[in-house]
Amino acid sequence: AQKVTQAQTEISVVEKEDVTLDCVYETRDTTYYLFWYKQPPSGELVFLIRRNSFDEQNEISGRYSWNFQKSTSSFNFTITASQVVDSAVYFCALYSGSARQLTFGSGTQLTVLP
Amino acid sequence: SQTIHQWPATLVQPVGSPLSLECTVEGTSNPNLYWYRQAAGRGLQLLFYSVGIGQISSEVPQNLSASRPQDRQFILSSKKLLLSDSGFYLCAWSDDRGYNEQFFGPGTRLTVL
Repeated sequence: AQKVTQAQTEISVVEKEDVTLDCVYETRDTTYYLFWYKQPPSGELVFLIRRNSFDEQNEISGRYSWNFQKSTSSFNFTITASQVVDSAVYFCALYSGSARQLTFGSGTQLTVLP
Repeated sequence: SQTIHQWPATLVQPVGSPLSLECTVEGTSNPNLYWYRQAAGRGLQLLFYSVGIGQISSEVPQNLSASRPQDRQFILSSKKLLLSDSGFYLCAWSDDRGYNEQFFGPGTRLTVL
């Protein structure tokens, strides 16, 4: 069985602060894929990143960065210099061959205050 | 480029009425298609997925059914809605490798009264 845990239900920060969203996963597979999605108030899920289990390099895309650590089964997401438009629910997800489906965490509601 | 459409955007239906939600994808062929439900509280639950025309896999027993009459069309149906069917329904597609990212439609917000 596979599982994704996002322990932070809600986070509130003031604009320009950095914020890290935690994601811990469980799987018995050696090959798997990790994802982050953003769900703004409009409701549509927006794909942010995909990582495979063999690539532990951290990734940076503008103000977004991701820290993948297999040793702790974590795939954390950091937003630098947060903006009000970053306010959304963020989901971490896991795909493994044995499950053959995407398993989502319960999401973290991020609120960025002006 | 690929786009995914869902309609209607919002729906209010009485208990016991039928349901039909439609999802279509453009710009790709032989996609995997998915229906998710998101109840209040945010969790996403996979309801159905399809790897080809007429091929439907159901993840949870429920009051809903799905069909894929064409390669890029996915329909979610119910003969008689229950109050518990209320939620936000999202359709998604991925390429046929399955492990690649899924792209989501704008969703349908269903309220059953």
